[in-house]
Amino acid sequence: TQLLEQSPQFLSIQEGENLTVYCNSSSVFSSLQWYRQEPGEGPVLLVTVVTGGEVKKLKRLTFQFGDARKDSSLHITAAQPGDTGLYLCAGDGNTGKLIFGQGTTLQVKP
Amino acid sequence: GAVVSQHPSRVICKSGTSVKIECRSLDFQATTMFWYRQFPKQSLMLMATSNEGSKATYEQGVEKDKFLINHASLTLSTLTVTSAHPEDSSFYICSARVGTSAYNEQFFGPGTRLTVL
Repeated sequence: TQLLEQSPQFLSIQEGENLTVYCNSSSVFSSLQWYRQEPGEGPVLLVTVVTGGEVKKLKRLTFQFGDARKDSSLHITAAQPGDTGLYLCAGDGNTGKLIFGQGTTLQVKP
Repeated sequence: GAVVSQHPSRVICKSGTSVKIECRSLDFQATTMFWYRQFPKQSLMLMATSNEGSKATYEQGVEKDKFLINHASLTLSTLTVTSAHPEDSSFYICSARVGTSAYNEQFFGPGTRLTVL
């Protein structure tokens, strides 16, 4: 069974601080997606990483895929209250289904 | 990005009644759609995979006779919760996979909040 361990599950920080969310697995994924979800809404795709060692940037968000394609991280620089939400990583294990991490609830206080 | 709609966004029903939720891909054709259930502040739990023109594939522990899925066209999948009970109250979300994508990217609907009284 493929699993994605996401940490931390909860994070409360002050505006301007930096943070990193991790997703780790013992399985190899052909691609990995990061989503952000706000309360009462569906997840929104932020990025897809597919190559080992790949780094993608989306404004203040930096996504990295591990060299072995078993882990990924999301780093947010100078967090803002608008970054508040649930962040989800999801790996494609070639079963046709996405394997989701447990999610990270981020609260950024002004 | 691809747009997926869901209807209704909220529904309140009495115990024992059935509720139908629609999931539509608005600007693309989706041969595969997925239905998820989500509890507060938790991740998504896959219920079933819906393939156009064929029977849905249910995850272990999901009752297929209770959660009926129909994927009659390339843009529409429906989930019917039959004989709903309070424990079925949850946030139900559908997603659709873009057929032309080389990766398993899924685009999600806005979700349906079901409350069973």
